Amino acid sequence: GEDVEQSLFLSVREGDSSVINCTYTDSSSTYLYWYKQEPGAGLQLLTYIFSNMDMKQDQRLTVLLNKKDKHLSLRIADTQTGDSAIYFCAEPRRALTFGSGTRLQVQP
Amino acid sequence: DSGVTQTPKHLITATGQRVTLRCSPRSGDLSVYWYQQSLDQGLQFLIQYYNGEERAKGNILERFSAQQFPDLHSELNLSSLELGDSALYFCASSAGTAEGEKLFFGSGTQLSVL
Repeated sequence: GEDVEQSLFLSVREGDSSVINCTYTDSSSTYLYWYKQEPGAGLQLLTYIFSNMDMKQDQRLTVLLNKKDKHLSLRIADTQTGDSAIYFCAEPRRALTFGSGTRLQVQP
Repeated sequence: DSGVTQTPKHLITATGQRVTLRCSPRSGDLSVYWYQQSLDQGLQFLIQYYNGEERAKGNILERFSAQQFPDLHSELNLSSLELGDSALYFCASSAGTAEGEKLFFGSGTQLSVL
């Protein structure tokens, strides 16, 4: 399809791991991105992965890429209340094309 | 702080009016992008400028126009405003025009059309 797809909502308990999934559309994408949007703020670049990689780890963040299925995931280890935000995946099509965003709610 | 500055933060206006949103890119960035974020449409790419020239066009309405000035700041002009134009408008910048470049976003202008 034409849309970058994400589930809308995820709720986890503080200290658990969060996994946010994304299905993108363009198999020739060079980089794939994760952005974070906190309430009342702009989009903050969180991490990215180059298309020739399967995995990238950056402190508590792990990005997994399955090019065959065009599936991208973001794992946040030891999720904190400060991680509560909307997370967007994005692919480099029409500048950047964003998914609908996954709202992560972290319960104390 | 991304280094991208947008003004104003909030704008309230009436239907039929015209407004101008302003954006200053990160120091050294030559590309500026405009996005619209609304509840029903999500994040929609409107237009990109590179070093003063229009580079790519997205879902920008004919009532909307943009430009990038020699000092690289950009303005998005919205005219004949309708209720449905109420949204958060973001500006982003990047170094150039390479595919897959990282975009750095400003904190947005919240437009309310009453």
